Amino acid sequence: AQSVTQLGSHVSVSEGALVLLRCNYSSSVPPYLFWYVQYPNQGLQLLLKYTTGATLVKGINGFEAEFKKSETSFHLTKPSAHMSDAAEYFCAVSENQAGTALIFGKGTTLSVSS
Amino acid sequence: GAVVSQHPSWVICKSGTSVKIECRSLDFQATTMFWYRQFPKQSLMLMATSNEGSKATYEQGVEKDKFLINHASLTLSTLTVTSAHPEDSSFYICSADVSPGHSVVFFGQGTRLTVV
Repeated sequence: AQSVTQLGSHVSVSEGALVLLRCNYSSSVPPYLFWYVQYPNQGLQLLLKYTTGATLVKGINGFEAEFKKSETSFHLTKPSAHMSDAAEYFCAVSENQAGTALIFGKGTTLSVSS
Repeated sequence: GAVVSQHPSWVICKSGTSVKIECRSLDFQATTMFWYRQFPKQSLMLMATSNEGSKATYEQGVEKDKFLINHASLTLSTLTVTSAHPEDSSFYICSADVSPGHSVVFFGQGTRLTVV
């Protein structure tokens, strides 16, 4: 069975500050890990995903995440927050690369203040 | 890029009525689509996997007779909430698998259902 835990339901940062959203996973098989962003009343947009290979994954909008097997973590970071980054972020795990039948974490709301 | 469209974006219906939500892949064929629901302040939960031309596969705890899924073509899957109750009020999101040959899934914009 797979599961995802996102630490912190709400994270607040100032514009220009580092963004760190935490995600830990549990999986009995090699995991495929994803980060999605959801803007109000919209669907999900894929930020990045880890399948195999390089453990540091770069995504869209300047986000990146590092897969750490020893820590079962896949934290999302961005060096400098933008006001437009304010949204809900979901970490998810799947048993396949495409990310079908995803198991989602509860989400983290990111607020960015000026 | 590939687009998945849901219709309607929001709907209000009376208790006891049924409502149909459509999920369309606009520029690709999707043999498999997925339906999720999201309660307020909670995460998305997979409800069912919709396969073109065959019966949907429902997750444990999801009533197949209440949430009817039809995937009649390679570009359209529908979710019908039958005899809706206020507790069915939720945000429903579909996703489509661009496979075969691709490793990517696209999500629709979601449908907010309110049952009064």
